[in-house]
Amino acid sequence: AQSVTQLDSHVSVSEGTPVLLRCNYSSSYSPSLFWYVQHPNKGLQLLLKYTSAATLVKGINGFEAEFKKSETSFHLTKPSAHMSDAAEYFCVVRGSNTGNQFYFGTGTSLTVIP
Amino acid sequence: DAGVTQSPTHLIKTRGQHVTLRCSPISGHKSVSWYQQVLGQGPQFIFQYYEKEERGRGNFPDRFSARQFPNYSSELNVNALLLGDSALYLCASSLGVAAGDSYGYTFGSGTRLTVV
Repeated sequence: AQSVTQLDSHVSVSEGTPVLLRCNYSSSYSPSLFWYVQHPNKGLQLLLKYTSAATLVKGINGFEAEFKKSETSFHLTKPSAHMSDAAEYFCVVRGSNTGNQFYFGTGTSLTVIP
Repeated sequence: DAGVTQSPTHLIKTRGQHVTLRCSPISGHKSVSWYQQVLGQGPQFIFQYYEKEERGRGNFPDRFSARQFPNYSSELNVNALLLGDSALYLCASSLGVAAGDSYGYTFGSGTRLTVV
């Protein structure tokens, strides 16, 4: 079975400081992992994906994530937060069934303080 | 290029009624998936369709059904609505089933269903 656990339901940072959103995964095989962002009243936007290539994945808007198999983690980082980064972030693992479904974490709400 | 479009954007229904939600995938995408996002939670998988065939079903009651049309658009139907069906319903498209693995899905903005 596959699942992800987002370790923080809320994260608050000051503008210009680093962002760290934590995600641990559980998978019985080599997983495909994603981070999506959801702004208020908007759909989900893909930030980045890991599919067994490079373990350090770069995404849009300066975000990146590192796949660490030994720690079963896929934490999302950004060196300097911007006000526009305030949103809900979801860590996602792909299922192994033929339906190719995604399993979402419960989300982390990021607040950026000016 | 138009993204994934969903209609309606909002609707209000009464308990016991039936609702139909619609989704048009990105042009060229043959796979459509449906997710339910209850307030404060992550999206939960409902169905995936590819080439008009059901490829996956989540843990939802039989009151939920879906279909995909020859033009790859899709409908999600929910019968005998309950208060607990109030949620944001998201549609996602991808080139194919395997393509969703490599490229991720493109999500629509969703339909906000309120059951009163």
